[in-house]
Amino acid sequence: NAGVTQTPKFQVLKTGQSMTLQCAQDMNHEYMSWYRQDPGMGLRLIHYSVGAGITDQGEVPNGYNVSRSTTEDFPLRLLSAAPSQTSVYFCASSYGVSTAEAFFGQGTRLTVV
Amino acid sequence: AQKITQTQPGMFVQEKEAVTLDCTYDTSDQSYGLFWYKQPSSGEMIFLIYQGSYDEQNATEGRYSLNFQKARKSANLVISASQLGDSAMYFCAMRESSNLRSSASKIIFGSGTRLSIRP
Repeated sequence: NAGVTQTPKFQVLKTGQSMTLQCAQDMNHEYMSWYRQDPGMGLRLIHYSVGAGITDQGEVPNGYNVSRSTTEDFPLRLLSAAPSQTSVYFCASSYGVSTAEAFFGQGTRLTVV
Repeated sequence: AQKITQTQPGMFVQEKEAVTLDCTYDTSDQSYGLFWYKQPSSGEMIFLIYQGSYDEQNATEGRYSLNFQKARKSANLVISASQLGDSAMYFCAMRESSNLRSSASKIIFGSGTRLSIRP
């Protein structure tokens, strides 16, 4: 019962470093998304994908890249980390029907110093 | 553009009382879905309930019900007989669904309401 798996769970980066947050799902979901959650706030959409090879920007895409080469994986790349990217990152997936709820990973807590 | 508004940053409720968490939304789409999620202090996101825009009946799931008023564009979550374990952040979310392959198929979230249950 893996569901949505995010790695790593915690990460500390120095300003300017790059890294990739991994997300994998084993439910054959078409839709996958990345959100960030800042303290006391809701989830803001970074990027999302409606299928392999298709990605689009959400509300806060600057500083992040994504790709979707397979149905299962949707990595999020931070190109040059900044302190403003300190946040908790959630990956989510769902079936491609309107009634489908999103299943979330456990989150990655990222600190940029 | 779609938007979700939750106007109650925090609420305190006595155990066993019912509580209503407010959610209003804005969309120009005729077809959409509304979701509520719970986020306990451990951080995971737990799906609670779903309401479709064409559903005539309000959705219910155990102690959770959704008071859906389409003309007012509101989708309030009602928790009956609150329990200490209901203390958490609650998020309202929406997906426009008239074209599921389009950019409107994303799910967006409100800013959340922190619910605290008093014993």
